[in-house]
Amino acid sequence: EAGVAQSPRYKIIEKRQSVAFWCNPISGHATLYWYQQILGQGPKLLIQFQNNGVVDDSQLPKDRFSAERLKGVDSTLKIQPAKLEDSAVYLCASSLAGTGVNNEQFFGPGTRLTVL
Amino acid sequence: AQRVTQPEKLLSVFKGAPVELKCNYSYSGSPELFWYVQYSRQRLQLLLRHISRESIKGFTADLNKGETSFHLKKPFAQEEDSAMYYCALGSGGGADGLTFGKGTHLIIQP
Repeated sequence: EAGVAQSPRYKIIEKRQSVAFWCNPISGHATLYWYQQILGQGPKLLIQFQNNGVVDDSQLPKDRFSAERLKGVDSTLKIQPAKLEDSAVYLCASSLAGTGVNNEQFFGPGTRLTVL
Repeated sequence: AQRVTQPEKLLSVFKGAPVELKCNYSYSGSPELFWYVQYSRQRLQLLLRHISRESIKGFTADLNKGETSFHLKKPFAQEEDSAMYYCALGSGGGADGLTFGKGTHLIIQP
């Protein structure tokens, strides 16, 4: 079974530029998550989708971050405009369902963003 | 607010010695606790979860609600256990994005 795919793996931009990340979850996984992991910290949830609906985006900085999962499969996360403090690894994860033993989250390799 | 605390940033033990990675949590509801592990150049992956009460790769973790802890233990460390370990808290219900601790880097010395 193929794992969670993310692209690009690395991205370097200047502050105030825009950037987008793409995630393809494991086939059949209804729930998709985006996490931000700043160096030296644990992952921090940005947004959670159940199919194509948003379940939790309480920690998403909505003035500059946006995410969509239009057809309930792939997802994109966008930052516009980027700030220096957005430098981090952006992790995508997916799970079969939201609760119980099905809620093991499978993580992608991450996209490492550097904002100069 | 949910919070997970892993007090040790780095833990170094010798091969064959016991290992305990500490995790404390703060949550008002009924928690779901997990340990995730990231080996060098690999993805973050689930190690074990409290609800399953299982032993994976010799590791166990017991949820202590009185002490709000979920410490990870292994009686005899092996070199392949060297990795980053993250304790994570799920709120349960339909919204179960995880709250992670900052992680503990475990180094097993030969």
